[in-house]
Amino acid sequence: EDQVTQSPEALRLQEGESSSLNCSYTVSGLRGLFWYRQDPGKGPEFLFTLYSAGEEKEKERLKATLTKKESFLHITAPKPEDSATYLCAGGSQKVTFGTGTKLQVIP
Amino acid sequence: NAGVTQTPKFRILKIGQSMTLQCAQDMNHNSMYWYRQDPGMGLRLIYYSASEGTTDKGEVPNGYNVSRLNKREFSLRLESAAPSQTSVYFCASSEDSRALMVYSNQPQHFGDGTRLSIL
Repeated sequence: EDQVTQSPEALRLQEGESSSLNCSYTVSGLRGLFWYRQDPGKGPEFLFTLYSAGEEKEKERLKATLTKKESFLHITAPKPEDSATYLCAGGSQKVTFGTGTKLQVIP
Repeated sequence: NAGVTQTPKFRILKIGQSMTLQCAQDMNHNSMYWYRQDPGMGLRLIYYSASEGTTDKGEVPNGYNVSRLNKREFSLRLESAAPSQTSVYFCASSEDSRALMVYSNQPQHFGDGTRLSIL
């Protein structure tokens, strides 16, 4: 059975303090690894898709990377507006979602 | 461009009542999905529709039914509400149209959810 595990569950950062969120997966034949951002009271918003180990994608202060066992979402010099829950998801026959990392960036 | 629209946004039901959650997308996507999101459990797939006229069970289908009315609309029905169905329900759509597989290698686009409480 496919498994997607995110860590940490929650992360509190000072504004400007860079860090990384982890998504480890056990998926046979991964077809794609997705990152989403979810704000309170809203649906997940698509950020990135990664298809193969070594691939990287960037958007503003966010950079997603992929290895054969895990994916990282690097946040460089975060701002308070980056506060949200970040979800990763992946699979082969179906998509499995992780439970998310709740990020809080303090001014 | 509205994307994925869900109605209603909030609802309180009594045990045993029925209701239908509506979802419509304007992105001309073939595949549509219904999820529920509960604290600490992540998003769990209830039903999906790979294309107009087809529906299939996901991970947690018991107590629910769905209808793919046309390419745009996918509804979720609770026939007899139970407290265990208190949750936030999300509809999503994606471009992929694999008739035999749930998985898509295209990202899913979500609505803003329906918050349902059953008392």
